Amino acid sequence: QVQLQESGPGLVKPSETLSLTCTVSGGSVNSGDYYWTWIRQPPGKGLEWIGFIYNSGTTNYNPSLESRVTISVDTSKNQFSLKLRSVTAADTAIYYCARDPTAPPGFDPWGQGILVTVSS
Amino acid sequence: EIVLTQSPATLSLSPGESATLSCRASQRVSSSLAWYQHKPGQAPRLLIYDAFDRATGIPARFSGSGSGTDFTLTISSLEPEDFAVYYCQQRSNWPPEVTFGGGTKVEIK
Repeated sequence: QVQLQESGPGLVKPSETLSLTCTVSGGSVNSGDYYWTWIRQPPGKGLEWIGFIYNSGTTNYNPSLESRVTISVDTSKNQFSLKLRSVTAADTAIYYCARDPTAPPGFDPWGQGILVTVSS
Repeated sequence: EIVLTQSPATLSLSPGESATLSCRASQRVSSSLAWYQHKPGQAPRLLIYDAFDRATGIPARFSGSGSGTDFTLTISSLEPEDFAVYYCQQRSNWPPEVTFGGGTKVEIK
């Protein structure tokens, strides 16, 4: 059974870089059958797709965030990571990692989520 | 970008009643339309993929239908644990970009 777990700082200062890691157990991030994805939910709002990595290096990002986002993978640790630069209070959210099969699509499983607050 | 519009924003129903949730796309969506249930403090849960296939372990009272630009999630007889927020989601073919609907909250009347 595949499980995902987010980790990283819960507080980031404005203008700095948010860095999160998703550790995958029970499966391999090397698999070309899945898009390894980051999704977020600001307080009181809906879900927003951030982007994904697959085939150990190909990425695709939400156009609204693309200029500030990098998703990378560390196959030796079976992890994938998110970096979001120049954060503001609007980036305060619960951040989830999730697995999305290339076919048929559908995010499952998800990590439990991690709340990241942007504040000085 | 494909925009997904969910309606209604809130549905007030009693246990045992049926719920019908709508998801309308701004342009034709492939069959890659999914539905999720989201409860506070939990990760979203995949209910339906490919518009009408139930995910593993999802009760038969959840069903999905629709094609093109109009999709529906039906909960045939609401159980107390079904009161939650529901999101639809699509992934375009190429480039594979994902969008979510704004959500429908199913609350106890």
